[in-house]
Amino acid sequence: DTEVTQTPKHLVMGMTNKKSLKCEQHMGHRAMYWYKQKAKKPPELMFVYSYEKLSINESVPSRFSPECPNSSLLNLHLHALQPEDSALYLCASSQDLGWEQFFGPGTRLTVL
Amino acid sequence: AQKITQTQPGMFVQEKEAVTLDCTYDTSDPSYGLFWYKQPSSGEMIFLIYQGSYDQQNATEGRYSLNFQKARKSANLVISASQLGDSAMYFCAMREAYGGSQGNLIFGKGTKLSVKP
Repeated sequence: DTEVTQTPKHLVMGMTNKKSLKCEQHMGHRAMYWYKQKAKKPPELMFVYSYEKLSINESVPSRFSPECPNSSLLNLHLHALQPEDSALYLCASSQDLGWEQFFGPGTRLTVL
Repeated sequence: AQKITQTQPGMFVQEKEAVTLDCTYDTSDPSYGLFWYKQPSSGEMIFLIYQGSYDQQNATEGRYSLNFQKARKSANLVISASQLGDSAMYFCAMREAYGGSQGNLIFGKGTKLSVKP
């Protein structure tokens, strides 16, 4: 199984809502990543987990809260988002830090 | 300063022809890796090919090959026999072993490739 899955595919939420994005991989990878991508721009790294511990937080606002419940799962909890947070959110995993990353299909988030 | 430069915002190629997408990089690390990803309009980033800085030969994967010129710090992607399904955004990325990216990917701005029938 060489797949990274993400749910939901699309999400529309209001600024007062709380929602979560989910990511799962069964490749035995020990590093997992969250990226944010705006239209026609490259992905921007948000968070990195290595061996289930938060390794990197790229100065992301606290309204985004990552969680790694186990080695296969990665969540991104969303609360009180702003319209400018509307973007494609990509999850990726790699065998270890620095190895090629495999991406999921992404969640298209719209904040109203 | 930009670490990864892709100078072609958009490219057109005729179906069945070959196309080269340019990528130059800037690093002082002796150990680094270069990656190419394809992103169709659906959004998923698809890993295409990898070149390590110590690799003696250019990487190849099916119709994809990487023209690695270390002295020039370039890592151009060559797609042979273009197909309509190759129409997508293509990102070049670099991983430094010791640099500020802490082993994570630094992406270029991308090149949008359109294959004409």
